[in-house]
Amino acid sequence: EPEVTQTPSHQVTQMGQEVILRCVPISNHLYFYWYRQILGQKVEFLVSFYNNEISEKSEIFDDQFSVERPDGSNFTLKIRSTKLEDSAMYFCASSHQGSLNNQPQHFGDGTRLSIL
Amino acid sequence: EDQVTQSPEALRLQEGESSSLNCSYTVSGLRGLFWYRQDPGKGPEFLFTLYSAGEEKEKERLKATLTKKESFLHITAPKPEDSATYLCAVPSQGGSEKLVFGKGTKLTVNP
Repeated sequence: EPEVTQTPSHQVTQMGQEVILRCVPISNHLYFYWYRQILGQKVEFLVSFYNNEISEKSEIFDDQFSVERPDGSNFTLKIRSTKLEDSAMYFCASSHQGSLNNQPQHFGDGTRLSIL
Repeated sequence: EDQVTQSPEALRLQEGESSSLNCSYTVSGLRGLFWYRQDPGKGPEFLFTLYSAGEEKEKERLKATLTKKESFLHITAPKPEDSATYLCAVPSQGGSEKLVFGKGTKLTVNP
């Protein structure tokens, strides 16, 4: 069964450094998302991406965050200058037609980001 | 503000002991409700979509139901491999793509 793949599985970075998290969504999906989950807390929405642009972002997704689909298969999340509070699991998800068509989002297994 | 509340936070069952998990939501104009399973250190794994009140979906020992204000995930004769955190999520209101998640119910099934 097709799946969303994320790399790396664990990233350790010094505070203030840039980090790029990578995702390969399911191949025929058109909607792409990033969520994060701080240990012991809810899964929180960060950003949605459709038709090569951001369609929605949360208040967490400030100027330090950016997303890109550099080619036909990859979808990346960049954090420009990491802070301690960015430590979390980051999940990429994709969907064929999006929530307006009641389509589920399928999630990868995440990247654990640890900021030192 | 859209809210999703799940109860109980944690549930311990003996193998074969059936029970139900609850998910209540306050989003208006519901455009579907999604159940996911999350194993430790893994991402949410999609289980079911429910679209309208009265709808039911089944998969192995799991059955999900939906009313106008809440959803139930019924687990019949659970096995230890059903141990996981079960998450409920709804799309935020309006035309949003954002999923709003509950905090989950951590289910432990003892042999």
